[in-house]
Amino acid sequence: QVQLVESGGGVVQPGGSLRLSCAASGFTFSSYGMHWVRQAPGKGLEWVAFIRYDGSNKYYADSVKGRFTISRDNSKNTLYLQMNSLRAEDTAVYYCAKDDGVVPAACLYWGQGTLVTVSS
Amino acid sequence: DIQMTQSPSSLSASVGDRVTITCQASQDISNYLNWYQQKPGKAPKLLIYDASNLETGVPSRFSGSGSGTDFTFTISSLQPEDIATYYCQQYDNSLTFGGGTKVEIK
Repeated sequence: QVQLVESGGGVVQPGGSLRLSCAASGFTFSSYGMHWVRQAPGKGLEWVAFIRYDGSNKYYADSVKGRFTISRDNSKNTLYLQMNSLRAEDTAVYYCAKDDGVVPAACLYWGQGTLVTVSS
Repeated sequence: DIQMTQSPSSLSASVGDRVTITCQASQDISNYLNWYQQKPGKAPKLLIYDASNLETGVPSRFSGSGSGTDFTFTISSLQPEDIATYYCQQYDNSLTFGGGTKVEIK
């Protein structure tokens, strides 16, 4: 069965950096696009980024463009999110999610999330 | 950017009631619309894709309709286990989620 396990969350100061990881299993990771979606405490869902199955195309929300970088290592079945210049408004639970297609469409399977807190 | 406006933001209904949630896109998105359910403390779950197609294993009391800019999500007979927040999401241009609708039991 599909399993996605996020890690790397924690407390970071404003302006700092953090890298999240998402370990995938139960499917052929190198064949599917992947997303990062976040949810601030008590708020709704916000899509963050998508990467094609082969890493050749990446899409970002305007709110993170230029600060966050999505990447993947298909040899390790792992998805990453490098987050730089972090702001208080980036505080959220970050989920990785599996898509079914070549372009971003739907989040079919989700991890349990990892909490990022940006605070001094 | 495409904006998704969901209404209402919350509702309270009795077990067995028909519940309807609407989602409006800021521009024509054809049928590129999905619906998710999120229970407290859990990750979201995809219920409906392409506006009206039920994901495998999802009870038939859930349904979706619409195209263009106006979409509807319906629970035909509300059950206690349906207590959750529901989100629409467009994928005509990247992804955008609606603000969510919290469904409670009266």
